[in-house]
Amino acid sequence: DADVTQTPRNRITKTGKRIMLECSQTKGHDRMYWYRQDPGLGLRLIYYSFDVKDINKGEISDGYSVSRQAQAKFSLSLESAIPNQTALYFCATSDHQRGAEQFFGPGTRLTVL
Amino acid sequence: KNQVEQSPQSLIILEGKNCTLQCNYTVSPFSNLRWYKQDTGRGPVSLTIMTFSENTKSNGRYTATLDADTKQSSLHITASQLSDSASYICVVSAGGGADGLTFGKGTHLIIQP
Repeated sequence: DADVTQTPRNRITKTGKRIMLECSQTKGHDRMYWYRQDPGLGLRLIYYSFDVKDINKGEISDGYSVSRQAQAKFSLSLESAIPNQTALYFCATSDHQRGAEQFFGPGTRLTVL
Repeated sequence: KNQVEQSPQSLIILEGKNCTLQCNYTVSPFSNLRWYKQDTGRGPVSLTIMTFSENTKSNGRYTATLDADTKQSSLHITASQLSDSASYICVVSAGGGADGLTFGKGTHLIIQP
């Protein structure tokens, strides 16, 4: 079984719809992250969480919210999706050391029409 | 502002040839530098990590170098294989702050038979 899983893997939705992307991990890591990846822009951090009670905004948090339901679960919500949120979204986990390796999920391809 | 610049943006080489990818950074203070490999449609996977005191580190046919004085790193791929076709992302970790990671935009490498 994969250590970091994301659901759904692909999603097509319409402008204004609420969307939730889910991430689960079995690595036992405290830290979890959400990134989006756009062609030519690389990976950009949306939100991150260092433990269940900790939520932090990343570089591009506007239009997104997150929930850390448990150590192993971290979900990303788009309250009212817009077309420029069309992107590839990755969840990642790491242990508590600064600069520790991040383990990425397989990604969710989201298209907002 | 912390920045990581990678070059070239894309590269095409023939199978069996060697190549070198470059990463220049202005992250301060420096903690470590990682190279990730991202296959198309998948999440990035760590190849190597370099700390301040390390000049060279190998992982099979991949060799990373670090010059902390000039703030440059390179990833050399020897005897390329078709499976090396991927994007290679340089990520620098800084001391201080809550997150501390700066991502490069990646080099897209294509190996042709």
